[in-house]
Amino acid sequence: GAVVSQHPSWVICKSGTSVKIECRSLDFQATTMFWYRQFPKQSLMLMATSNEGSKATYEQGVEKDKFLINHASLTLSTLTVTSAHPEDSSFYICSASNLLQETQYFGPGTRLLVL
Amino acid sequence: SQQGEEDPQALSIQEGENATMNCSYKTSINNLQWYRQNSGRGLVHLILIRSNEREKHSGRLRVTLDTSKKSSSLLITASRAADTASYFCATVVPGGSEKLVFGKGMKLTVNP
Repeated sequence: GAVVSQHPSWVICKSGTSVKIECRSLDFQATTMFWYRQFPKQSLMLMATSNEGSKATYEQGVEKDKFLINHASLTLSTLTVTSAHPEDSSFYICSASNLLQETQYFGPGTRLLVL
Repeated sequence: SQQGEEDPQALSIQEGENATMNCSYKTSINNLQWYRQNSGRGLVHLILIRSNEREKHSGRLRVTLDTSKKSSSLLITASRAADTASYFCATVVPGGSEKLVFGKGMKLTVNP
């Protein structure tokens, strides 16, 4: 149980385009989903926390107009990187939890390369 | 922001040996969790220890927590090549938020 999927697993796009990443909890309802960013050989940095049906809470320094987060259902959250630039290239990982869990369950990650 | 700091940052051992990783943190916590990440993949939850617990076991894993020193250790006994991965500690701080604050991570290499 507690499986989280992400789609796509990797994406290459041109600078200036927008990229949408999906995060799904497959076998449980996720009241909360988290989006992280990870640079090579570095740790995970939390970007934002999203609760179903409400606006996401962004961490300091994360541009909410740049990284649009939608958590429209208890099983799906999306992260849209708008007008992507090469510096947005990174590994994006989502996680999901519900009120009954103390742990977060992580997706496999999405590698984004912006040319 | 990052809270935890793993020590050492890289460790290379032979199969069968034990591996110990340490984590220090800065604030009070609700719990501390250890995760494993294989190269280029997502994170796998290993074990959670609450602030009122001092030691916990799960299979070949043993975690200790010393809240007075704000530190934790993860011991992997009888290591296997498949244990090769990056290991992260992460803390949940009091306040109702479920946010995890991750340490920098430690790369463990187990040589066959």
